Amino acid sequence: NAGVTQTPKFRVLKTGQSMTLLCAQDMNHEYMYWYRQDPGMGLRLIHYSVGEGTTAKGEVPDGYNVSRLKKQNFLLGLESAAPSQTSVYFCASSYSRGTGDYYEQYFGPGTRLTVT
Amino acid sequence: LAKTTQPISMDSYEGQEVNITCSHNNIATNDYITWYQQFPSQGPRFIIQGYKTKVTNEVASLFIPADRKSSTLSLPRVSLSDTAVYYCLVGDALPQGTYKYIFGTGTRLKVLA
Repeated sequence: NAGVTQTPKFRVLKTGQSMTLLCAQDMNHEYMYWYRQDPGMGLRLIHYSVGEGTTAKGEVPDGYNVSRLKKQNFLLGLESAAPSQTSVYFCASSYSRGTGDYYEQYFGPGTRLTVT
Repeated sequence: LAKTTQPISMDSYEGQEVNITCSHNNIATNDYITWYQQFPSQGPRFIIQGYKTKVTNEVASLFIPADRKSSTLSLPRVSLSDTAVYYCLVGDALPQGTYKYIFGTGTRLKVLA
């Protein structure tokens, strides 16, 4: 199993450009999450999804959109990138309540995004 | 919203036992205590989770007193490869049945030769 994979690994954007980050998991997890981590800080939850076709806002959702069209994929979009969105983005997935240890989130390797 | 407080950094030597204590005074009755490990340029990795008393797995032990207002992660005989940031997390139940973790800045453990 590849676990949780993220594409791309690195990206540099100019202010105002848009991009989509792709997260894929092969563990048949119901729940998926997007976090951002700024230098020297902990992770902050951007958006999450509890199943195909559902999304919800986390702590810091402004400036981001997400979609979960397929159970195994969770996309994070930046419509108009800003320098404040320079960060490392992590995707995670977990089992749903009642189907496994849903407290354990499996993280991808991260995408390092720089907005100039 | 339950939050945690833990030391910013710790140093240890190879072969020693390391204990990292976390304070979570406002933990809710249903909350579990979870510890994650993060290496540079990698995503966090689950280490251990517990509700009360003691939990042990192949990599660590977790001690939780009866009042559950604190917990201690114990790493036996650390090696250089245990150098990482360790996060103590107390989850918040989200609508629709999932779980949200509040990540603080964690404890930077440096293991010295």
